Amino acid sequence: AQSVAQPEDQVNVAEGNPLTVKCTYSVSGNPYLFWYVQYPNRGLQFLLKYITGDNLVKGSYGFEAEFNKSQTSFHLKKPSALVSDSALYFCAVRDRSGGSYIPTFGRGTSLIVHP
Amino acid sequence: GAVVSQHPSWVICKSGTSVKIECRSLDFQATTMFWYRQFPKQSLMLMATSNEGSKATYEQGVEKDKFLINHASLTLSTLTVTSAHPEDSSFYICSALTLAGEGEQYFGPGTRLTVT
Repeated sequence: AQSVAQPEDQVNVAEGNPLTVKCTYSVSGNPYLFWYVQYPNRGLQFLLKYITGDNLVKGSYGFEAEFNKSQTSFHLKKPSALVSDSALYFCAVRDRSGGSYIPTFGRGTSLIVHP
Repeated sequence: GAVVSQHPSWVICKSGTSVKIECRSLDFQATTMFWYRQFPKQSLMLMATSNEGSKATYEQGVEKDKFLINHASLTLSTLTVTSAHPEDSSFYICSALTLAGEGEQYFGPGTRLTVT
């Protein structure tokens, strides 16, 4: 079985400050991990993924995420937030070790960046 | 990058009518497509998984006779909401897998359905 948790419904940050959106996961084997962003009334856009290799993954729009196997986490980060980063962020996981190829999504975290 | 389109982007229909939503992969072939439903300020709810040339696999609690899914080609999947009711009003999003091995999904822009 696979699952993902986004413990925060909402994250508030001031423009220019660093931001972190948290994600933890559970899989039987090794994970594929993904982050997506959704702007109002739009579909989801792919931000980045972790497959294997370097634990720090860089993605679109200056976002990055760090894979931490011991803590089973894949937190999304950005050094300096922009007001335009305000959106809904989803973490997703899929077990690489077989079974379903369907990713499981977290509940989403609303990021609000204040000017 | 991979592009997925949905049509229409929004639709208003009367209760009791049927509505068809199209999902197309524009620059790649998608053997698998997914249909999600999203309520305001809530997460995605997977409705069904659609594989080209075979019957869709519906998630528990999703009425297959109400939400008809057809995946007749590698670039097109359709969702038909039959005999729509106001409670079917929602944001419907499709996505497609480019490579089943990694599971990276590309999402359509969504369709806002309002049933009056």
